[in-house]
Amino acid sequence: DTAVSQTPKYLVTQMGNDKSIKCEQNLGHDTMYWYKQDSKKFLKIMFSYNNKELIINETVPNRFSPKSPDKAHLNLHINSLELGDSAVYFCASSQRVTSGRTNIQYFGAGTRLSVL
Amino acid sequence: GIQVEQSPPDLILQEGANSTLRCNFSDSVNNLQWFHQNPWGQLINLFYIPSGTKQNGRLSATTVATERYSLLYISSSQTTDSGVYFCAVSQKLVFGKGTKLTVNP
Repeated sequence: DTAVSQTPKYLVTQMGNDKSIKCEQNLGHDTMYWYKQDSKKFLKIMFSYNNKELIINETVPNRFSPKSPDKAHLNLHINSLELGDSAVYFCASSQRVTSGRTNIQYFGAGTRLSVL
Repeated sequence: GIQVEQSPPDLILQEGANSTLRCNFSDSVNNLQWFHQNPWGQLINLFYIPSGTKQNGRLSATTVATERYSLLYISSSQTTDSGVYFCAVSQKLVFGKGTKLTVNP
């Protein structure tokens, strides 16, 4: 009964390949996020979706495309993988901030992507 | 954009010691969270604390929003407290670079 689950946990692939990471949350949240953590442990937001609608899109190469089939799922597809894409990718979810609500974010366990 | 600075970058303690971690931010915020990333990489939300003080066991946090800083207190530290502590602000969670804490037995 994991709250935010990501698959796969590890992903090793060759440069130029296309890969996807899946994320699912069972917390009933309406907002989901993707973060990238680099080798120096720096965490940075990439995307956020609220009810399947893109609300945050940071400066990320077009090779990264998020897809939200429903509010419980947010997948990340990466085309033409490059060495610099090697990182840990975290999915998170929260309620969207409205009056009286907070957006405490709950994180998945992360997907460690290694591009060779 | 908003800047988040954490100090110290590294902290080594003996088990049982107390410590204070600091987070400064450059603009007013309505969202501030503290996270612990354990040695296995899992990110755990410790506190949602845009203002005021909260306590949870040996951990407590205080945010003084008007002065743009937050403090995380760890008392009677244990080896399981080791890891990286992150402060993050705003809805899209702008993270600081973290404080790496090592608690030795």
